[in-house]
Amino acid sequence: EDQVTQSPEALRLQEGESSSLNCSYTVSGLRGLFWYRQDPGKGPEFLFTLYSAGEEKEKERLKATLTKKESFLHITAPKPEDSATYLCAVQNAGGTSYGKLTFGQGTILTVHP
Amino acid sequence: DSGVTQTPKHLITATGQRVTLRCSPRSGDLSVYWYQQSLDQGLQFLIQYYNGEERAKGNILERFSAQQFPDLHSELNLSSLELGDSALYFCASEGTSDTQYFGPGTRLTVL
Repeated sequence: EDQVTQSPEALRLQEGESSSLNCSYTVSGLRGLFWYRQDPGKGPEFLFTLYSAGEEKEKERLKATLTKKESFLHITAPKPEDSATYLCAVQNAGGTSYGKLTFGQGTILTVHP
Repeated sequence: DSGVTQTPKHLITATGQRVTLRCSPRSGDLSVYWYQQSLDQGLQFLIQYYNGEERAKGNILERFSAQQFPDLHSELNLSSLELGDSALYFCASEGTSDTQYFGPGTRLTVL
């Protein structure tokens, strides 16, 4: 069974203080690893898809990386508007899983001014 | 704005009742997924439809059912509601890019 574990559960940063969020995963065959951002009471907003170990993607202050067992979301010089819950999910390549996403519990990021 | 719409935004009902949640995917997307998000379980996959056909099932209760219509909108039907069914219900649509775009969700409260 696919499993995703995110750490830490919550992270409090000062504005400008860079850090990383971790996503460890177990999947029989990885089709893709996804990062989403979710604001309270809203739907998850797509950030990145990573497909293979060594791949990196960047968007503004965010950079996602992937290894064979985990992914990191690096946040450089965060701003208060980056405060949100960040969700990691995996998509299994095989069998009857088709496109379903298996999500981690998320990391709640709070950035103080 | 993801382009996925869901109605209603909020739903308050009583135990034992039946409700229908509606989702319209992004223009051109053939695949619709339903997920449930609760505080203790996180985001859980319920069911997927592709071009009107059921494609995959997750941990969906027998009291829950779904369908996708010829115009590609989808409905999730929840019956014999229990207090534990209170949650946020999201649909997501997927086109050719393997990326799922989520709607704003329906918050269901069962009293």
